[in-house]
Amino acid sequence: EDQVTQSPEALRLQEGESSSLNCSYTVSGLRGLFWYRQDPGKGPEFLFTLYSAGEEKEKERLKATLTKKESFLHITAPKPEDSATYLCAVQDNAGGTSYGKLTFGQGTILTVHP
Amino acid sequence: DGGITQSPKYLFRKEGQNVTLSCEQNLNHDAMYWYRQDPGQGLRLIYYSQIVNDFQKGDIAEGYSVSREKKESFPLTVTSAQKNPTAFYLCASSPGRIYQETQYFGPGTRLLVL
Repeated sequence: EDQVTQSPEALRLQEGESSSLNCSYTVSGLRGLFWYRQDPGKGPEFLFTLYSAGEEKEKERLKATLTKKESFLHITAPKPEDSATYLCAVQDNAGGTSYGKLTFGQGTILTVHP
Repeated sequence: DGGITQSPKYLFRKEGQNVTLSCEQNLNHDAMYWYRQDPGQGLRLIYYSQIVNDFQKGDIAEGYSVSREKKESFPLTVTSAQKNPTAFYLCASSPGRIYQETQYFGPGTRLLVL
């Protein structure tokens, strides 16, 4: 059974204080790893998809990296508007070319203080 | 603008009542999904559909039903058999083709029991 564990559960940063969020996963075969941002009372907003170990993607102050066991979401010089819950999900390739189930972690709540 | 719409934003259900949540997308996506989100938990899959007139149960389908009569629409009915329906319900869609499987989410519907 696929499993995704995110840490820490909550992270408080000062504006400009860089840090990283962790997503550890267990999957029979990885088809893709997804990062989302979710604001309170809203639907998740897509950030990145990573497909293979060693892959990296960047968007503004965010950078996602992937190894065979975990993914990191690095936040450089965060601003208060980066405050949100960040969700990680993995999709396995057990279904071949058919639908691969998405398994979500419980999320990391990030708060950036001015 | 292309996107996913969900309605209503808030929905109140009385004991023994069936209620239907609407989900519409104009992204021309083949696949659509329904998730349930509870505080402190990851998203859990209720139902998914890869093509019109076909759908599959997810991990927590008991007490729910769906239909997929049109490509654009995937309504979810919460039946009286669902004993703990209070949650945030999220609809998502994806192109449905391998390596184009990123799921994009709607704004969500919050269901409360009176």
